[in-house]
Amino acid sequence: IQMTQSPTSLSASVGDRVTISCRAGQNINTYLNWYQQKPGTAPSLLIYASSTLHSGVPSRFVGSVSGTNFTLTVSGLQPEDFATYYCQQTYSTPYTFGQGTKLEI
Amino acid sequence: QITLKESGPTLVRPTQTLSLTCTVSGFSLSTTGVGVGWVRQPPGQALEWLGIVYWDGDQFYSPSLKSRLTITKDAAETQVVLTLTNMDPFDAATYYCAQLRTLRSFAFEVWGPGTRVAVSS
Repeated sequence: IQMTQSPTSLSASVGDRVTISCRAGQNINTYLNWYQQKPGTAPSLLIYASSTLHSGVPSRFVGSVSGTNFTLTVSGLQPEDFATYYCQQTYSTPYTFGQGTKLEI
Repeated sequence: QITLKESGPTLVRPTQTLSLTCTVSGFSLSTTGVGVGWVRQPPGQALEWLGIVYWDGDQFYSPSLKSRLTITKDAAETQVVLTLTNMDPFDAATYYCAQLRTLRSFAFEVWGPGTRVAVSS
């Protein structure tokens, strides 16, 4: 299942609200996860099942879905939020990732 | 505390076979719903899902690597081994293992720190 993520990169400022999109090539129900990755480190899970916040993740991260279109919204950007974000479907194998969105200051 | 850690060679020659081990602690590989998967990331590029082995022994692979890739868990249920044959410079990447729970998040909740593998003669 192809996952199309957009934009590829995004510039924003501390305090801004940003939105990252991920479109699935077919129905994946709500088996959509979002990860954050900072340079030189492993990815970390932010949101699973399209909208459930993983333990310890701040509430400024919100996931939503409309059909096969998924959205990650980050409100009130903090300095530590500048990173690369990936979506991933786990509806069926291979559990494909999107191409990533680099969020830059 | 759940941890995973990858280990293996940092350099392999083209055509050689890569073998990486993911050593887990804090959970059992035989617990219903548990899976350990492998993901790789070439320098400066996106994450690529490679495959996964589940608690019941079921294995699933990326179609593009299926002919070269094997993922197994050991009898002691503490390690997962990735074997990738006929290595090519395009296989150079950081390789991660991660835990997935089908009865909970169905996502990679815990990741190892990754291990970087270079491919060069």
